[in-house]
Amino acid sequence: SQTIHQWPATLVQPVGSPLSLECTVEGTSNPNLYWYRQAAGRGLQLLFYSVGIGQISSEVPQNLSASRPQDRQFILSSKKLLLSDSGFYLCAWSGTDKQETQYFGPGTRLLVL
Amino acid sequence: GQNIDQPTEMTATEGAIVQINCTYQTSGFNGLFWYQQHAGEAPTFLSYNVLDGLEEKGRFSSFLSRSKGYSYLLLKELQMKDSASYLCAVRDWDDYKLSFGAGTTVTVRA
Repeated sequence: SQTIHQWPATLVQPVGSPLSLECTVEGTSNPNLYWYRQAAGRGLQLLFYSVGIGQISSEVPQNLSASRPQDRQFILSSKKLLLSDSGFYLCAWSGTDKQETQYFGPGTRLLVL
Repeated sequence: GQNIDQPTEMTATEGAIVQINCTYQTSGFNGLFWYQQHAGEAPTFLSYNVLDGLEEKGRFSSFLSRSKGYSYLLLKELQMKDSASYLCAVRDWDDYKLSFGAGTTVTVRA
């Protein structure tokens, strides 16, 4: 069966510091991968998605970036965090068919101070 | 893109039934999803509708009317553990992406 991991689970970072969040998927090959952010009391906002190694689509212009160095690894990064980057970051995977369901990882709660 | 509307909050009694409505506007349609999200946790998949009609999964059912841009999630025999946020999400035609509503927080009271 497929499993999705995210780490760290919780992170407290000062404004202006860098960020690296990692997501890995097991039990499937060539998944579609997604990064979402959920601000407190708000809906899920799609940040990036990837349909293959090195292929990244950005949905929201901001100070975040994403990379996919391996088939089942998806990384979310920032060079300098802003206060507004605080939130719950969720990675999700799906199969490659456009009918496929997205399944979420456990998430990383980020607090920027 | 899509405009997805669902109520912000609903309260119901243990053992009762609650219906969460979701309306959407989209230029194309390729499926509607319902997710459950407990406080502080990740969303978990509940149901998927792409054709009109009712899909039943135990105590949970989901209905879709594509012509009306409307779906509902029906929770029967409510239990305390059903207290959570319920997210409606729509996928546009020929796209991988999901657009999410803001979620409906359901509180189940004894």
